[in-house]
Amino acid sequence: DQQVKQNSPSLSVQEGRISILNCDYTNSMFDYFLWYKKYPAEGPTFLISISSIKDKNEDGRFTVFLNKSAKHLSLHIVPSQPGDSAVYFCAARRVQGAQKLVFGQGTRLTINP
Amino acid sequence: EAEVAQSPRYKITEKSQAVAFWCDPISGHATLYWYRQILGQGPELLVQFQDESVVDDSQLPKDRFSAERLKGVDSTLKIQPAELGDSAMYLCASTRSTDTQYFGPGTRLTVL
Repeated sequence: DQQVKQNSPSLSVQEGRISILNCDYTNSMFDYFLWYKKYPAEGPTFLISISSIKDKNEDGRFTVFLNKSAKHLSLHIVPSQPGDSAVYFCAARRVQGAQKLVFGQGTRLTINP
Repeated sequence: EAEVAQSPRYKITEKSQAVAFWCDPISGHATLYWYRQILGQGPELLVQFQDESVVDDSQLPKDRFSAERLKGVDSTLKIQPAELGDSAMYLCASTRSTDTQYFGPGTRLTVL
């Protein structure tokens, strides 16, 4: 039972354009969402998060949008840079109780010069 | 900036051998997690510690996997005996309380 889904295994974007990565979840008990970035042979690096009481959170070039009714979130990167090429994981957890993260399968983002 | 430390970074072993991985969380982080990431998938939680106590080990294959955090600081994850299907990246993460989880660089295990 895949509670967090990233349906696009890969995405290719031109440098300078906007990258949009999508994530869907099924468990309505999730109330905190995170995006992690992972380079090969390294651990995931925290990028940005959003609480379920918000619908948008922005940090520099990165913005995460949350649509609770659709159980959908997205990460926008603008403008995209070559260093953004990595695998991006969406993760969700409950604030109360054990805070284990449930991850999506990841989306490989490639930024083309 | 403080980081989660893991060793070894890479481990190659033969089927039926024992392997052990070590993790040192960020100082002051009471909660420690071990995740397993199979290629092409997202990380999956194996075990969660709060200080020295296990909070969640429901996904840990207890017939061959064990984890401990004796003094509530660093932690060891052991597999005995290793099987071919255990080949994966083993990730350790830590957090202060309900804060963001910070991950170490991982140990890439290859079982031959």
